[in-house]
Amino acid sequence: GAVVSQHPSWVICKSGTSVKIECRSLDFQATTMFWYRQFPKQSLMLMATSNEGSKATYEQGVEKDKFLINHASLTLSTLTVTSAHPEDSSFYICSARTSGSPSYNEQFFGPGTRLTVL
Amino acid sequence: AQRVTQPEKLLSVFKGAPVELKCNYSYSGSPELFWYVQYSRQRLQLLLRHISRESIKGFTADLNKGETSFHLKKPFAQEEDSAMYYCALRALDSNYQLIWGAGTKLIIKP
Repeated sequence: GAVVSQHPSWVICKSGTSVKIECRSLDFQATTMFWYRQFPKQSLMLMATSNEGSKATYEQGVEKDKFLINHASLTLSTLTVTSAHPEDSSFYICSARTSGSPSYNEQFFGPGTRLTVL
Repeated sequence: AQRVTQPEKLLSVFKGAPVELKCNYSYSGSPELFWYVQYSRQRLQLLLRHISRESIKGFTADLNKGETSFHLKKPFAQEEDSAMYYCALRALDSNYQLIWGAGTKLIIKP
């Protein structure tokens, strides 16, 4: 099946630094990648949707200058949390959509990245 | 407004008992509905989708447009079914975004 990896799986950083999280589709081309944030014991909150080669579309309330998303290729998207603060501490999950059959429209999820900002 | 409602945050049943996880949606068009499952310390994965009309791991879900529901059912629960279950909706004009329910934690007691 389609596999999505995320790196790193966890990161601890100091307040004010920037952190980059990578999301890769390992064995398929991801037409669209999604970035989510998940708070403890809560559902996923969609942050942004990105299509390869174009600017990401951010959900209402998500600061695009703080959460920079780059989708440079069909297998890689990155989320950079700039000038991180403790309130940015969360579990960040990416998913990738392939347009190929038989998985049309299905989203495949990465394992998530636990960010802790001190 | 598009919305997915999972009324139960927690559902606890005994092994061998039937399970029904409720999901109701609000959408004016014809949605595509999914159930995703997240086992402990594992990533989210698709369990089933309404257009497939299949049974996965003994689970089935039928889309009821009249009641705008997509409840997940299994006749005999197994301990390995313990997990978080999320119902999700994809609107046709949504750039493939999913609208998520809050999730239901299913605990199967031995």
